[in-house]
Amino acid sequence: NAGVTQTPKFRILKIGQSMTLQCTQDMNHNYMYWYRQDPGMGLKLIYYSVGAGITDKGEVPNGYNVSRSTTEDFPLRLELAAPSQTSVYFCASKVNTEAFFGQGTRLTVV
Amino acid sequence: AQSVSQHNHHVILSEAASLELGCNYSYGGTVNLFWYVQYPGQHLQLLLKYFSGDPLVKGIKGFEAEFIKSKFSFNLRKPSVQWSDTAEYFCAVNQGTGANNLFFGTGTRLTVIP
Repeated sequence: NAGVTQTPKFRILKIGQSMTLQCTQDMNHNYMYWYRQDPGMGLKLIYYSVGAGITDKGEVPNGYNVSRSTTEDFPLRLELAAPSQTSVYFCASKVNTEAFFGQGTRLTVV
Repeated sequence: AQSVSQHNHHVILSEAASLELGCNYSYGGTVNLFWYVQYPGQHLQLLLKYFSGDPLVKGIKGFEAEFIKSKFSFNLRKPSVQWSDTAEYFCAVNQGTGANNLFFGTGTRLTVIP
């Protein structure tokens, strides 16, 4: 079972560049999430989705955008990368109460 | 909103020592409780969970946790840690229904010295 798959695993961006972090899940979960993880800060919710076509902001949405055109895919877009977006990003999907996480994307903005 | 507190930021233990990591949450209603583990360079993996029933929950790799409703706590324990338990541990609370209802603590980094 693939579960939740994120790509890429690592990326270095220059300030002002844009990129899309990909996330796909094969468990037919309606709920999907994007978190960022910073040292000593735990996981902060960026955006989430309750199903295809529906997205909503989490705790730290500024500088990011998402879309959910299918149940499987939930990409996260950074339009103008800033050093403050250097972080590890985790995608997750949830059924009922248990969340399943992807491997993470380590992003560095220089 | 729910808040989840993990008071131990970094714990250092020798192998075979006993472990207890604290977790407290603020919501007084029905909750589901989780401990996730993140080994170095890896994603979060579920260690154990509590939904209902016996408040003492056993998870993988010899870990257990006890739900004490009166104290709003869900502490993680292991009688004898191993070097391979070196990781970051996150407590999480699922509150009520809906999508935006899973809240994480800030994590506790455990270092086990051989």
